[in-house]
Amino acid sequence: AQSVTQLDSHVSVSEGTPVLLRCNYSSSYSPSLFWYVQHPNKGLQLLLKYTSAATLVKGINGFEAEFKKSETSFHLTKPSAHMSDAAEYFCVGFTGGGNKLTFGTGTQLKVEL
Amino acid sequence: NAGVTQTPKFQVLKTGQSMTLQCAQDMNHEYMSWYRQDPGMGLRLIHYSVGAGITDQGEVPNGYNVSRSTTEDFPLRLLSAAPSQTSVYFCASSYSDPTGDLGNTIYFGEGSWLTVV
Repeated sequence: AQSVTQLDSHVSVSEGTPVLLRCNYSSSYSPSLFWYVQHPNKGLQLLLKYTSAATLVKGINGFEAEFKKSETSFHLTKPSAHMSDAAEYFCVGFTGGGNKLTFGTGTQLKVEL
Repeated sequence: NAGVTQTPKFQVLKTGQSMTLQCAQDMNHEYMSWYRQDPGMGLRLIHYSVGAGITDQGEVPNGYNVSRSTTEDFPLRLLSAAPSQTSVYFCASSYSDPTGDLGNTIYFGEGSWLTVV
């Protein structure tokens, strides 16, 4: 079984400062992991995905994530936050045999001036 | 390609009413699934399908039925709506990469906002 834990339900940063959204996973096998973003009252947009090809994954809008097997983590980072980054972010595990997704509970990112 | 189309986008139901949320994809994807999103809980899998004629339960299947008579369509039925089913529902579809590369991309619909009063 696979589980995904997002360590912070809310994160607040100032515009122009770095963003760190934390995610730990639990899996009995090598996982596939995604980060999705959801803006208010909108659908889900894929930011990036890890599929074992490279441990440092670059995504859209300047986001990247590093897969660390020793720490069972897949934290999302961005060097400089922008007001448009304010949204809810989901760390997601992928399970084959039906392409099922296991979502974390989400991290609400607030960006202040 | 239209991608994944969900209808309706908004719906208000009375307790005990039935309704069907429609989901259609035009990408010939094998896999389709339904999730519900509730505050503080992320998205949870309701039902999924690995191909026409094959469905299975996810994490929270109670109160919902599905069928998959064609590759394109995967409707979600609420037989007797309850206030606990007030939620945002997302349909998703994806394909299976025969090379085994787990770089499958999941395509989501835009969501259906359901309120049961």
